[in-house]
Amino acid sequence: GQNIDQPTEMTATEGAIVQINCTYQTSGFNGLFWYQQHAGEAPTFLSYNVLDGLEEKGRFSSFLSRSKGYSYLLLKELQMKDSASYLCARRTGANNLFFGTGTRLTVIP
Amino acid sequence: DSGVTQTPKHLITATGQRVTLRCSPRSGDLSVYWYQQSLDQGLQFLIQYYNGEERAKGNILERFSAQQFPDLHSELNLSSLELGDSALYFCASSVGLRSSSGNTIYFGEGSWLTVV
Repeated sequence: GQNIDQPTEMTATEGAIVQINCTYQTSGFNGLFWYQQHAGEAPTFLSYNVLDGLEEKGRFSSFLSRSKGYSYLLLKELQMKDSASYLCARRTGANNLFFGTGTRLTVIP
Repeated sequence: DSGVTQTPKHLITATGQRVTLRCSPRSGDLSVYWYQQSLDQGLQFLIQYYNGEERAKGNILERFSAQQFPDLHSELNLSSLELGDSALYFCASSVGLRSSSGNTIYFGEGSWLTVV
């Protein structure tokens, strides 16, 4: 998938903070998206980065470093409902999204 | 609800058969995308249409084809089906082609295809 790498699985405790990393191929880069997907459901949009730095949206934040081909999604104050797969996707100039295989996050009490 | 509508939600068919999956994009969206997600696999980009024309192709098999109609709805045709084609097929849409910050891609609920 366009050399997008993210950890396969992560586990974190309710109320804690978790960081999900993503590295991607930098050529032809036009933005980095994060989606949340519960099993068997549609991916839902979480965040978008095109410039370097941190974008904050409530409990979720996303960071981008274009020179390093690196992004992370930060989830704060974890809730049980945050157990899901988190998909990192690189956008091309034609507005296509190429996804990594996703990180399955399990939130435990 | 993303506003992207897909039918059918579930479909079971036999190997060798042909099926058609249908997608209505969000109101005002001109771009339609098709993705395939097999069990425990990532989303694989299949094909993109913009205002009726094919714009980009991904990992789409020759047995598969798609089109976008004048009313902007799209259909994905899967033929000579094999067991390995069993997957969740997502349609997604966005406003346009340009990679502007507002050009988010929104996904439908998907069509579950089971080939037996």
